[in-house]
Amino acid sequence: DIVMTQSPDSLAVSLGERATINCKSSQSILYSSNNKNYLAWYQQKPGQPPKLLIYWASTRESGVPDRFSGSGSGTDFTLTISSLQAADVAIYYCQQFYSIPYTFGQGTKLEIK
Amino acid sequence: EVQLVESGGDLVQPGGSLRLSCAASGFTISNYWMHWVRQAPGKGLVWVSRINSDGSSISYAASVKGRFTISRDSAKNTLYLNMNSLRAEDTAVYYCARHVIDDSGSKFDPWGQGTLVTVSS
Repeated sequence: DIVMTQSPDSLAVSLGERATINCKSSQSILYSSNNKNYLAWYQQKPGQPPKLLIYWASTRESGVPDRFSGSGSGTDFTLTISSLQAADVAIYYCQQFYSIPYTFGQGTKLEIK
Repeated sequence: EVQLVESGGDLVQPGGSLRLSCAASGFTISNYWMHWVRQAPGKGLVWVSRINSDGSSISYAASVKGRFTISRDSAKNTLYLNMNSLRAEDTAVYYCARHVIDDSGSKFDPWGQGTLVTVSS
């Protein structure tokens, strides 16, 4: 199984500041046939299901604010929130789609400092 | 509107059985891969099972293999998860999710609201 490891486990950032969450896979999740990284990012707020933010590592889902961006390739990926808003307080998960089981990172809890 | 609605969660004793349902609207489940994902209280997301679009390929997490069965009823446009020999560690909110795979991406979207399964005596 591919192990997804997020860092940090929790993060406190001031409003308006940048938040950065990292995700590392135990093996490459880049498909050479289409040069796509099979990684998604989700946001989950208490009592709600996960909400898709980013897929293919860097493609923002329709309707997601442009302060959210994804980057990285191969085994190392980053979710960046450029200017933290109060509504961004949540737990963030990465997930690989390269091979079954489609494993998730352990989650990163983002709070306001 | 594309929507998934889970039901069937309940309190069940260890060793018991339960069937979860996931009713889809706004799309046809037999055109997509469909998944179950669970989340134990206060814990992270764990992938459970998948059925492909024509039902010919099914996969399970090692922790549930041999105890859980994923299936679907195309006429009812509903996905199921039959859960047998339930254990305390199966206690979780169970989500169903549609897997979109095309030139635009590979992603779980949407997710249902989840249904809570509690295994306890």
